[in-house]
Amino acid sequence: AQSVSQHNHHVILSEAASLELGCNYSYGGTVNLFWYVQYPGQHLQLLLKYFSGDPLVKGIKGFEAEFIKSKFSFNLRKPSVQWSDTAEYFCAVRPGTYKYIFGTGTRLKVLA
Amino acid sequence: KAGVTQTPRYLIKTRGQQVTLSCSPISGHRSVSWYQQTPGQGLQFLFEYFSETQRNKGNFPGRFSGRQFSNSRSEMNVSTLELGDSALYLCASSLEVTGPIGLAKNIQYFGAGTRLSVL
Repeated sequence: AQSVSQHNHHVILSEAASLELGCNYSYGGTVNLFWYVQYPGQHLQLLLKYFSGDPLVKGIKGFEAEFIKSKFSFNLRKPSVQWSDTAEYFCAVRPGTYKYIFGTGTRLKVLA
Repeated sequence: KAGVTQTPRYLIKTRGQQVTLSCSPISGHRSVSWYQQTPGQGLQFLFEYFSETQRNKGNFPGRFSGRQFSNSRSEMNVSTLELGDSALYLCASSLEVTGPIGLAKNIQYFGAGTRLSVL
């Protein structure tokens, strides 16, 4: 069955630390890839997306992600996190059907 | 441009009751998807509607149903509520844009959700 794995369920970092959140999916065909963020008390917002082309995509608020097709991965990165990045992050894959498959999320806490 | 609107924001029901949730998509969006969000489970896909037709369905029991109207507004219904149905129900709308390779460039925009508590 198609699935998305986010291996880090909880991450705690200090401000200015670098961030990398893992996302792996199981589907061999063409995919659209997404990272969404849910700040406390707010609705899900799109951070960045990959449809095709350059596998390194840049999103809002200094986030970027790299699509590595051979590893079925789409990891999220940020070189220097801020306290305001405290949120839950969801990786999502659209594997050619009309539905999205979401990971279980990673809760990031950034300490000031 | 108004975002995705979900009503009501909060609901409290008792076991055995039924509930209807509503979603108004972004103007011009014809695809509406529904998700159930619970702690530790992430977002579980319920179903997706496009032009009043259900295009895809997740692995939920038949107690969960939905529909879409001609103005793209969608409703989701849960009958015979169980305690385990307590969750945040999210609606997402999207504007299908077909890319050069065929897979539609579909970005979903989410509403704030309806928090359902079943007692």
